[in-house]
Amino acid sequence: EAGVVQSPRYKIIEKKQPVAFWCNPISGHNTLYWYRQNLGQGPELLIRYENEEAVDDSQLPKDRFSAERLKGVDSTLKIQPAELGDSAVYLCASSLATAGQGNYNEQFFGPGTRLTVL
Amino acid sequence: TQLLEQSPQFLSIQEGENLTVYCNSSSVFSSLQWYRQEPGEGPVLLVTVVTGGEVKKLKRLTFQFGDARKDSSLHITAAQPGDTGLYLCAGLGCGGSAGNNRKLIWGLGTSLAVNP
Repeated sequence: EAGVVQSPRYKIIEKKQPVAFWCNPISGHNTLYWYRQNLGQGPELLIRYENEEAVDDSQLPKDRFSAERLKGVDSTLKIQPAELGDSAVYLCASSLATAGQGNYNEQFFGPGTRLTVL
Repeated sequence: TQLLEQSPQFLSIQEGENLTVYCNSSSVFSSLQWYRQEPGEGPVLLVTVVTGGEVKKLKRLTFQFGDARKDSSLHITAAQPGDTGLYLCAGLGCGGSAGNNRKLIWGLGTSLAVNP
């Protein structure tokens, strides 16, 4: 079974330019997450989707970041314009959304996109 | 606000040594997960502990959930270079809405280097 797919793996841009990241979750996983991770630190949640609905975007810097999940499958995260401080690894993860016993929100991650803003 | 503190932040040891990594909080979690992340990759789930006092073993790795479900530890016996990576703990909250139940609280990680 294919895992979470992300592209591109690496992106180098100049500040003030736009950038977009794409994620394809594991088939059947209704919940999708975008995280930002700085070197040697834990992931920081940016946004969580349940199907096509963004249910938690409280940590998303909405002045420059946007995300969408068309048809509740693939998702795109966009930054416009990028700033130097946006340099990080952007991780996408997915999990089953089945409620009830046995669902511990175990997440499956893609390899991430390493963004460098010059 | 729920927080998870991991210690140590960095650890560099020789092959064959034992080590323990800690994950602590003042909050109670319904379950806790441990992930390992290798350079250039996303985190990979190692184990989920659910019951207070629970101990789970994965080859040379032993995971324990505290009796009060506020803390956890990961012990590695006879560490090998392949164990090198960032070890992350993540706790799932108790109570509240279904949305909060599905939100993981992440620690900052322990970066482990095992030297040959």
